[in-house]
Amino acid sequence: DAKTTQPNSMESNEEEPVHLPCNHSTISGTDYIHWYRQLPSQGPEYVIHGLTSNVNNRMASLAIAEDRKSSTLILHRATLRDAAVYYCILFTTSGTYTYIFGTGTRLKVLA
Amino acid sequence: EAQVTQNPRYLITVTGKKLTVTCSQNMNHEYMSWYRQDPGLGLRQIYYSMNVEVTDKGDVPEGYKVSRKEKRNFPLILESPSPNQTSLYFCASRSKGAPNQPQHFGDGTRLSIL
Repeated sequence: DAKTTQPNSMESNEEEPVHLPCNHSTISGTDYIHWYRQLPSQGPEYVIHGLTSNVNNRMASLAIAEDRKSSTLILHRATLRDAAVYYCILFTTSGTYTYIFGTGTRLKVLA
Repeated sequence: EAQVTQNPRYLITVTGKKLTVTCSQNMNHEYMSWYRQDPGLGLRQIYYSMNVEVTDKGDVPEGYKVSRKEKRNFPLILESPSPNQTSLYFCASRSKGAPNQPQHFGDGTRLSIL
């Protein structure tokens, strides 16, 4: 199964952009890239997803490499409320319909 | 309010005593799944269900059972719990539709097996 690798932790200053990288070198053509985040003492919550093209929504942007072997979640202006563990996930639609979580990146936002 | 509800939120029990963690969603979602979260390992999928009476194994199904008799409920059953099943468990649901449908997670159940 395809897996993702992310840095264990990152820091950012408040009000500055944050780029959270994810490698998924064994991604298959039918795998969607999803990002979720988990705030302390809560279940994960959806952030954004994509297949091939870059995506924007009110929470973040997702930049996907042309070969799809990596992607970057972009928070345009980090706030203290963005401090969380961010998970890059491959959702496979080929046969098993399973979600494969990485270990996540713990984002610390400094005031 | 759209939500996924897990019960209990916390449970301490002993090895071998059967337990069930319930999960219920009010969004009429077809797809439901169970995860466990352990330090350093992230979230791992235990079982998932594409619809009523349709279940399948995720990455770590050993020692767990599930059932999907109704659309809204997806209980996780530990027939003979062991200490290595001490973990934080999350239930999730989503609309079956397109693969881009987001998952909605419950608040988690922390199980301690002594």
